[in-house]
Amino acid sequence: QVQLVESGGGVVQPGRSLRLSCAASGFTFSSYAMHWVRQAPGKGLEWVAVIWYDGTNEYYADSVKGRFTISRDNSKNTLYLQMNSLRGEDTAVYYCAREAGSVVTHCFGYWGQGALVTVSS
Amino acid sequence: DIQMTQSPSSLSASVGDRVTITCQASQDISNSLNWYQQKPGKAPKLLIYDSSNLETGVPSRFSGSASGAVFTFTISSLQPEDFATYYCQRHGTFGGGTKVEIK
Repeated sequence: QVQLVESGGGVVQPGRSLRLSCAASGFTFSSYAMHWVRQAPGKGLEWVAVIWYDGTNEYYADSVKGRFTISRDNSKNTLYLQMNSLRGEDTAVYYCAREAGSVVTHCFGYWGQGALVTVSS
Repeated sequence: DIQMTQSPSSLSASVGDRVTITCQASQDISNSLNWYQQKPGKAPKLLIYDSSNLETGVPSRFSGSASGAVFTFTISSLQPEDFATYYCQRHGTFGGGTKVEIK
């Protein structure tokens, strides 16, 4: 069955960097676009970024553009989110999510359990 | 950017009640709208995709429909396990969520 397991969360000071990972299993990772979606404490869901199945395209929410980078290693079945210049408003649970189908429609069919990132001095 | 206005933000209902949540897009988005359920401390779960298609394994008491830029999500008979927060979503935009609580 599809499994997505995030890691790399933690407490980080404002202005510093952190990298999240998402290990995928149970499906052909290289066939699907992947997303990051976040949720600030007590708040709603916010889409963060998407990367095409082969890594050729990436798109970002305006709130993270220029600071976050999504990437993937299809040989390791792993998705990444490099987060630089972190701010307090980046504090959230970060979920990796897989496209429901093979076409990029921003339909999030499978989700990981989430990784908490806390930006605080 | 397209805005998604979801209402109500919360509601109280009893087991067996019919529950309806709406999501209005700021412009025509065809039928590319999805609905998710999220329980406290858990990841969201896809329930409905492309406005009216039931995800595999989701009970048939859940349904979705569209009329122009207004999308409706319905639970025909609320069950105890349905108390949760529901979100509409289209591409990079989520609605604000609807928390369904026990009356």
